[in-house]
Amino acid sequence: DGGITQSPKYLFRKEGQNVTLSCEQNLNHDAMYWYRQDPGQGLRLIYYSQIVNDFQKGDIAEGYSVSREKKESFPLTVTSAQKNPTAFYLCASTLGGLAGVWSTDTQYFGPGTRLTVL
Amino acid sequence: AQSVTQLGSHVSVSEGALVLLRCNYSSSVPPYLFWYVQYPNQGLQLLLKYTTGATLVKGINGFEAEFKKSETSFHLTKPSAHMSDAAEYFCAVSDLGTTDKLIFGTGTRLQVFP
Repeated sequence: DGGITQSPKYLFRKEGQNVTLSCEQNLNHDAMYWYRQDPGQGLRLIYYSQIVNDFQKGDIAEGYSVSREKKESFPLTVTSAQKNPTAFYLCASTLGGLAGVWSTDTQYFGPGTRLTVL
Repeated sequence: AQSVTQLGSHVSVSEGALVLLRCNYSSSVPPYLFWYVQYPNQGLQLLLKYTTGATLVKGINGFEAEFKKSETSFHLTKPSAHMSDAAEYFCAVSDLGTTDKLIFGTGTRLQVFP
């Protein structure tokens, strides 16, 4: 079955640590996204990538970094510069890339990673 | 930029009752509108979307939504609630012509009582 996988499901971080969240898709989608979800705030866009080796900052990119070396993979690193990282992180993908208007595409989401700072 | 407002962060209904979740949007261009559902500790799943054409959109699990341009609304309804409908529901609008991002509402948590 095609879909998006995220790992780990739960992640605990100590103060000052960097952690990396994995996102893999086998849908052959061009575009991938990272969202942060906090209670009562909906989803906020962290980073997105419309094509391999290219990515753009979203609304809350500070303290996060990404890479897109392969079409199917879009890992997110939460750095020590992110002062309040405890949240639920969702990865998504859409078929459309640079040739399309991606915000009109259906987004396919992974099951999420819950990050907690100890 | 476009925006979306979901009225009511929590909605409770009895099993078998009508479900009505409200969504209003602002858009300077014809909007693309979406409803997504999130079950506990899971990702989001598309329920339905409006692009162009017929204003009444049917989705999965018996849900439907009607695009009303005059009211700038896209409310989600289901005639008869089921216990399995308990989840969080997000309305979203495509921010076409500006940031080209998908703008999500803050969500409405639906509780269904037996």
